[in-house]
Amino acid sequence: AQSVTQLGSHVSVSEGALVLLRCNYSSSVPPYLFWYVQYPNQGLQLLLKYTTGATLVKGINGFEAEFKKSETSFHLTKPSAHMSDAAEYFCAVIDSGAGSYQLTFGKGTKLSVIP
Amino acid sequence: DTEVTQTPKHLVMGMTNKKSLKCEQHMGHRAMYWYKQKAKKPPELMFVYSYEKLSINESVPSRFSPECPNSSLLNLHLHALQPEDSALYLCASSQLTGGSGNTIYFGEGSWLTVV
Repeated sequence: AQSVTQLGSHVSVSEGALVLLRCNYSSSVPPYLFWYVQYPNQGLQLLLKYTTGATLVKGINGFEAEFKKSETSFHLTKPSAHMSDAAEYFCAVIDSGAGSYQLTFGKGTKLSVIP
Repeated sequence: DTEVTQTPKHLVMGMTNKKSLKCEQHMGHRAMYWYKQKAKKPPELMFVYSYEKLSINESVPSRFSPECPNSSLLNLHLHALQPEDSALYLCASSQLTGGSGNTIYFGEGSWLTVV
């Protein structure tokens, strides 16, 4: 079974500082990896995804993530935090089976941005 | 266009009421999903429809009844709910092909309060 571990349920950064949200996965097959963001009182929005190919993936709003197979990691970064980045971030791995796809989510990391 | 539309955005219902949540997508996706999300938790999968047939039911109580009338619509019928069923209900959809088609797109959710 696949699993996702997000280190840190709450991360605080100052505005303009580097954002680093950690995600490690466990998978017996090459994974498809995703980061979703959930702003307060909203649904989940896809930030970026890794399927195959380039291991450095760029997403929306200046975020990027690097797939490191040797470390089973898919950490999310942004060079300079903005107040609007305050949200809950979920790392997820997808599994295929039964003719559909299922997401296994991490527990989430709440990002706070301090002015 | 990667839009999944859910209605209503907010629903308050009594424990004896019958109500429905609705979801629509026009991306040609052949898999549709219902997730339940409690506060400060990741979404939990409830049901999956593949090619308009129920393929996964994650041991959800029978007071939740899904329906997929066609490839664009997904309903969740609610009856005799309990206060602990109050949550954000997220609809999602995806293609059923390999590679980048695995991405699961979420709607904004329906906030359900059972009184």
